[in-house]
Amino acid sequence: NAGVTQTPKFQVLKTGQSMTLQCAQDMNHNSMYWYRQDPGMGLRLIYYSASEGTTDKGEVPNGYNVSRLNKREFSLRLESAAPSQTSVYFCASSQTSGKFFGPGTRLTVL
Amino acid sequence: AQSVTQLDSHVSVSEGTPVLLRCNYSSSYSPSLFWYVQHPNKGLQLLLKYTSAATLVKGINGFEAEFKKSETSFHLTKPSAHMSDAAEYFCVVSDRSGGYQKVTFGTGTKLQVIP
Repeated sequence: NAGVTQTPKFQVLKTGQSMTLQCAQDMNHNSMYWYRQDPGMGLRLIYYSASEGTTDKGEVPNGYNVSRLNKREFSLRLESAAPSQTSVYFCASSQTSGKFFGPGTRLTVL
Repeated sequence: AQSVTQLDSHVSVSEGTPVLLRCNYSSSYSPSLFWYVQHPNKGLQLLLKYTSAATLVKGINGFEAEFKKSETSFHLTKPSAHMSDAAEYFCVVSDRSGGYQKVTFGTGTKLQVIP
């Protein structure tokens, strides 16, 4: 039981490049989330998915898209990366009791 | 409206002394409350949660928190700090406003433990 896994762990992009952050969970959770963490800002919700086939915007969705491919996987895509998207990204999944977080992806956009 | 306020961005304690990390919340519904810890370069780990059962909640690593509805607080405490407790701590409120689980994270409190 791996919990929540994320790939890659680290990534450096140039402005304008695109990439997809992958997230998978093996706990059969319905809900999945993408957060970004910036100093002094806490965690901010980018997008979430209440169940397979549904996605909704969170607090800071601009510049991102998501796909809930199946119950296990929830990917986050940056179509045209900007320096303001330099951050640590966390994926999480949950049922009714708290959230389980992945280890994070540290993204730098030059 | 849902919100959470962590009253201190930094807390510094000596090893072996008590820890108090303060959190106040607001929620229009019966909330669930959580504390998470994040060690440097690590992911987030659930410390403890309150979900309308006992108001005093015991978590991992000797931490506990008390839900006080009258004060809208959920402060995190530990009787004796250990060096390994140095980390960032997040208070989180969750409720089912609008029929969906809405979650808000606090801005975090960095705990420094002095030898």
